[in-house]
Amino acid sequence: GAGVSQTPSNKVTEKGKYVELRCDPISGHTALYWYRQSLGQGPEFLIYFQGTGAADDSGLPNDRFFAVRPEGSVSTLKIQRTERGDSAVYLCASSLSSGSSYEQYFGPGTRLTVT
Amino acid sequence: GQSLEQPSEVTAVEGAIVQINCTYQTSGFYGLSWYQQHDGGAPTFLSYNALDGLEETGRFSSFLSRSDSYGYLLLQELQMKDSASYFCAVRERGNEKLTFGTGTRLTIIP
Repeated sequence: GAGVSQTPSNKVTEKGKYVELRCDPISGHTALYWYRQSLGQGPEFLIYFQGTGAADDSGLPNDRFFAVRPEGSVSTLKIQRTERGDSAVYLCASSLSSGSSYEQYFGPGTRLTVT
Repeated sequence: GQSLEQPSEVTAVEGAIVQINCTYQTSGFYGLSWYQQHDGGAPTFLSYNALDGLEETGRFSSFLSRSDSYGYLLLQELQMKDSASYFCAVRERGNEKLTFGTGTRLTIIP
């Protein structure tokens, strides 16, 4: 079956612009997670959804970052007034439920470059 | 908060066995996961331990000692394709997010 998909695969934007990153989880997976990964580092947790609601957004670095999952499937990570420090690979993952969060299925990521 | 420590790099010979260690500090430990990530690829789940002892999955095994806040990933019969980064990740009680370590870059040499 289809895995987690993310679009776009690459995004180059200018400092100060707004970007949206999309994640399509595995069908039937109710839990969805966003991470950010910088070169040579592990994935850094941003936010986690159980269904439509954000169950834990403690990893969002500041109020420029926001994520939604309106129908409990596809999710969009939104970044306002991008800064060069936002450049990273943004990873999305899903799991069958929140109880199986130890086994997450990751998408290929979106490489965001802010110039 | 949580912290995890892993060696940054390990080199091993094709066909041999290698162990990647992970020590963690967390206020409410629930379990330890292991993920593999090839350069430019997505992390993929390998193994999970919530209880003390060894979990075996083919050539890969993972061990946990809760009293020592320590775990390891054991890779046997190493193949060139095992060259990748390996991450341990802690799951806390009452919290469904994973906190990842900085990863161990494993290089397999012929």
